[in-house]
Amino acid sequence: AQSVAQPEDQVNVAEGNPLTVKCTYSVSGNPYLFWYVQYPNRGLQFLLKYITGDNLVKGSYGFEAEFNKSQTSFHLKKPSALVSDSALYFCAVRTYRQAGTALIFGKGTTLSVSS
Amino acid sequence: DTEVTQTPKHLVMGMTNKKSLKCEQHMGHRAMYWYKQKAKKPPELMFVYSYEKLSINESVPSRFSPECPNSSLLNLHLHALQPEDSALYLCASSQGTGPNEKLFFGSGTQLSVL
Repeated sequence: AQSVAQPEDQVNVAEGNPLTVKCTYSVSGNPYLFWYVQYPNRGLQFLLKYITGDNLVKGSYGFEAEFNKSQTSFHLKKPSALVSDSALYFCAVRTYRQAGTALIFGKGTTLSVSS
Repeated sequence: DTEVTQTPKHLVMGMTNKKSLKCEQHMGHRAMYWYKQKAKKPPELMFVYSYEKLSINESVPSRFSPECPNSSLLNLHLHALQPEDSALYLCASSQGTGPNEKLFFGSGTQLSVL
C-alpha cells in the first residue's frame, strides 16, 4: 500500500531562517507526491506536486520540495520563512483504491514561525 | 472560478436529526470527494465520485449517505449520527482521478453532534 510519513509533529523556526518539513514515502511503482497547507478553520491548499522529471519541484508561496529516490523522501523547503507561513502542512500520495485513485495524507506537521 | 463551495459552514445536530451537507464546483471537474477531518489530524477519505458514479467507499457507516445529483454538485446526507462523528467535513474536486491530479478543497463544514 502507498503511504507517506511525517516524522515531526511540530517544526519551529525563526522568521528569515530556512525551513524544512520532512516527508518520507513508501510506494510501489512510480510515486505521485503532493504537499498541501491548511490554515486554521480552512480547507487545504495545494502547494506543489512531484510526478516525474526534475527532483527539485517549485510551488506556491516560495516553497519547493526535493524528491530523493534513494532516501525515499520528499521534504518541503523554503529559503526564508515568514510568520504567515505558520500553518499545518500535509504530505500526500496518490494511491489506488477500489475503482479509482485517491489522495492519502500523512499525519501533518505544524509549522510555527516566530518573529 | 476555481472555488469549491460548501454549505453550511457550521452545523449542530442532535443524534436523531437528518441533515445534509452540500458541495458545489463550477470548474468542470469530473471527480468529487468527501473527507472527514478531526482537529489537528489528517483528512480521512470517505467517498469518491467519478463521472457522477460512486467509485470509492472507504467502509463508511451507512449513517453517512453520499449523493451526486450532477457533475457540479455533491451532497452528504446525515442521519442518526453519533457524537464521535463531530468533525470538519471537507469536499474536494479534481479534473479526473488520474494519479497526477491535484485536489481543490472547500473550506469545510464544521459539524457538531450533540
